[in-house]
Amino acid sequence: EIVLTQSPGTLSLSPGERVTLSCRASQTVSTSYLGWYQQKPGQAPSLLIYGASNRVTGIPDRFSGSGSGTDFTLTISRLEPEDFAVYYCQQYGSPPLLTFGGGTKVEIK
Amino acid sequence: QLRLQESGPGLVKPSETLSLTCTVSGGSIMSPSYYWGWIRQPPGKGLEWIANIYYSGSTYYNPSLKSRVTISGDTSNNQISLKLTSVTAADTAVYYCARTSSSWYFVDYWGQGALVTVSP
Repeated sequence: EIVLTQSPGTLSLSPGERVTLSCRASQTVSTSYLGWYQQKPGQAPSLLIYGASNRVTGIPDRFSGSGSGTDFTLTISRLEPEDFAVYYCQQYGSPPLLTFGGGTKVEIK
Repeated sequence: QLRLQESGPGLVKPSETLSLTCTVSGGSIMSPSYYWGWIRQPPGKGLEWIANIYYSGSTYYNPSLKSRVTISGDTSNNQISLKLTSVTAADTAVYYCARTSSSWYFVDYWGQGALVTVSP
């Protein structure tokens, strides 16, 4: 079973800053099956990126995903006030199951 | 517009069975383009996938929960259900009904979530 490790656990940043979130897998992950989600307090997660780098329709272009193999990155080019949230990576692998990383909280400094 | 609505008891006693139902509107659980399933989140913690069901009736379970979980579908009512047996306090969580793409395996729709507390 593939384990996803997200780092750091918490980031304290100011609006306007650039953010880079890391998701590292214990084994190679298919790029097609790597996604990123944003979760705000009291809400269900929402999909931002699928296939490692494909932005969901309606997601601002300040969000971008990259990576392959075991190392994946979510970048927010310039933090907006509404971007302060928890971010999760997720992969699909064999045996057929979904796994999530532990999450990175982006908080206001 | 697709809507997933979870329903079921909010309080379950230890050792009993947790039962939840998800009613899907605006879409069909018989679509081959998606899996339908459950994901949970303990208070203040991360996400854990529980199980999926496909239109064919095939089911898929998280190995860590497989011995206690059953997922089923009711095509006549466009619902899916979850049963988790022998619950403990560790099963206290928000349980989300979720739709997963069968091509890219991402979760594109979530229910609002149902908090289930395991307590005497």
